[in-house]
Amino acid sequence: QSVLTQPPSVSAAPGQKVTISCSVNTSNIRNNYVFWYQQLPGTAPKLLIYDYDKRPSGIPDRFSGSKSGTSATLGITGLQTGDEADYYCGTLDSGLRVGVFGGGTKLTVL
Amino acid sequence: QVQLVQSGAEVKKPGASVKVSCKASGYAFTAYYIHWVRQAPGQGLEWMGWINPNSGGTYYAQQFQGRVAMTRDTAINTAHMELSSLRSDDTAVYYCARARVRGLIDFIGQWGQGTLVTVSS
Repeated sequence: QSVLTQPPSVSAAPGQKVTISCSVNTSNIRNNYVFWYQQLPGTAPKLLIYDYDKRPSGIPDRFSGSKSGTSATLGITGLQTGDEADYYCGTLDSGLRVGVFGGGTKLTVL
Repeated sequence: QVQLVQSGAEVKKPGASVKVSCKASGYAFTAYYIHWVRQAPGQGLEWMGWINPNSGGTYYAQQFQGRVAMTRDTAINTAHMELSSLRSDDTAVYYCARARVRGLIDFIGQWGQGTLVTVSS
């Protein structure tokens, strides 16, 4: 069983809101430490969210992160066709040694 | 601005080795850890390990131990990742990526553009 589990795909209409979950299946994850990345087709990933809920400068506030129990959630509001991409959660283990990614979620904006 | 510029695409035969370079600019190279991540065609991201450019210390994911070597050349602000005993399932885009925070083993903030390595006989 993967340490970080994401749904393979989600979809929603333009203008709507979507959430993507990342279930943390171990206690060996540093607290408050899940990152989210967006990978547009044919490009390198880009950091969207760090430390569960913080946005780097330049990331629109349409993107948000939250934590509930042992899950992290990425929220995207006001969906645009340009948001169609693969989204990955990722983190380091509590020993700050081993990195891990979720399997990725493909977002389709219908 | 922070830039990580990687070397060009490679085609290798099974059993060979490949060395991918990652030239950093726009920040203090030795102050931020560098991670390496790969992505096989149509697949997800796979973390490979990190290097501390200041000390040269490394940590590798278990599945790559014995086959990967991450090094750095501080004179030219460049990190390298060498993977040996290549197999067809090593065909992937290899990314270097900088830690988000200075001085800590932090997770990834910025990414290089990726280097396609194709392993084929």
